[in-house]
Amino acid sequence: TQLLEQSPQFLSIQEGENLTVYCNSSSVFSSLQWYRQEPGEGPVLLVTVVTGGEVKKLKRLTFQFGDARKDSSLHITAAQPGDTGLYLCAGGVGENNTDKLIFGTGTRLQVFP
Amino acid sequence: DAGVTQSPTHLIKTRGQQVTLRCSPKSGHDTVSWYQQALGQGPQFIFQYYEEEERQRGNFPDRFSGHQFPNYSSELNVNALLLGDSALYLCASSAQGGEWWLTKNIQYFGAGTRLSVL
Repeated sequence: TQLLEQSPQFLSIQEGENLTVYCNSSSVFSSLQWYRQEPGEGPVLLVTVVTGGEVKKLKRLTFQFGDARKDSSLHITAAQPGDTGLYLCAGGVGENNTDKLIFGTGTRLQVFP
Repeated sequence: DAGVTQSPTHLIKTRGQQVTLRCSPKSGHDTVSWYQQALGQGPQFIFQYYEEEERQRGNFPDRFSGHQFPNYSSELNVNALLLGDSALYLCASSAQGGEWWLTKNIQYFGAGTRLSVL
């Protein structure tokens, strides 16, 4: 069974602080996505990485896929209250273009002004 | 361009009943996946439909079944509801083909159907 563990589970920080969320597994994934989900809504895709060691930047967010494609991290610089939400990593299983996703346990982030 | 739409948004059922949830994929998408998200947890893969057939299935009992129509829309059916089936049910759409490094496993989610089983 493929599992993705996220840490920390909960994070409460002040506006302007930096943070890193980790997503770890003993399994290899064909791709890794990060989503953000707000209450009452579905997950919204932030980024997808497909190559081991790949780093992608989206404004203040930096995403990294581990060299062995088993883990990933999300770093947020100078967090803002608008970053508040549930962050989910999801690993793609298989070699087709639209394989099933295995989701992590989630990290709930609260940024206080 | 409408995104993924799901109906209904909320549903209340009692144990033993049956329920049908509906999903319309994003325009241009031909693959629909269903996920169950229990409170405080990440979504769990139920199954995926492509070309009107179930292509992949997660670890869910046969009480969970689905269908995909020629227009790519999909239904999720759950029979003999249990209290533990209470969850947010998410539909995600995606497209086969395209350049793999651009589209690999990219799925767009609807807002979900909140099912409460009493």
